[in-house]
Amino acid sequence: DQQVKQNSPSLSVQEGRISILNCDYTNSMFDYFLWYKKYPAEGPTFLISISSIKDKNEDGRFTVFLNKSAKHLSLHIVPSQPGDSAVYFCAARPLGYQLIWGAGTKLIIKP
Amino acid sequence: DAGVIQSPRHEVTEMGQEVTLRCKPISGHNSLFWYRQTMMRGLELLIYFNNNVPIDDSGMPEDRFSAKMPNASFSTLKIQPSEPRDSAVYFCASSLGGGSQETQYFGPGTRLLVL
Repeated sequence: DQQVKQNSPSLSVQEGRISILNCDYTNSMFDYFLWYKKYPAEGPTFLISISSIKDKNEDGRFTVFLNKSAKHLSLHIVPSQPGDSAVYFCAARPLGYQLIWGAGTKLIIKP
Repeated sequence: DAGVIQSPRHEVTEMGQEVTLRCKPISGHNSLFWYRQTMMRGLELLIYFNNNVPIDDSGMPEDRFSAKMPNASFSTLKIQPSEPRDSAVYFCASSLGGGSQETQYFGPGTRLLVL
């Protein structure tokens, strides 16, 4: 049973436009959410996070939104750049436990 | 800082053989994680060490898998005997502490193919 779901295996976006990556979760006890970015032949790297007490966190071109009632998390990238092409993993943490990961979404930025 | 170091980067072996994956965490980090990534299941946590002690090994798939951390700068993940379904990318990650909001730093991974 997947507690963290990224339903879109891939997403293609034009350079300069907004990229929106989505993540759904089932466990209302998750208290912390993260996005990691992964390039081919490299390990995932931390991108941005949000605590369950917030509904938005922004870092430069990256904004994460949390809708607790819908159990939905999204990552917005504005404007999208070619270097943003990567696999993006959503992860969630139940209080006191370790991360539970989504399967990832491959983002392709078209020139 | 060199980051998390994993070896080998690629491993091809035959079914039934023993496979040993190695990891050197970032110096000063006291938590270490082993993950497996497959197309079907995404990233799965296999085992988590804190201060060299295994804290949670509930993700280890079966007895064929074992992990050790003899000191703060080295960990191994062993598969014996290996099976084709073990083919995956195995990541090691470390973090400064074991707290729930500590950022994990990943190594480049070991791509394992069991024939």
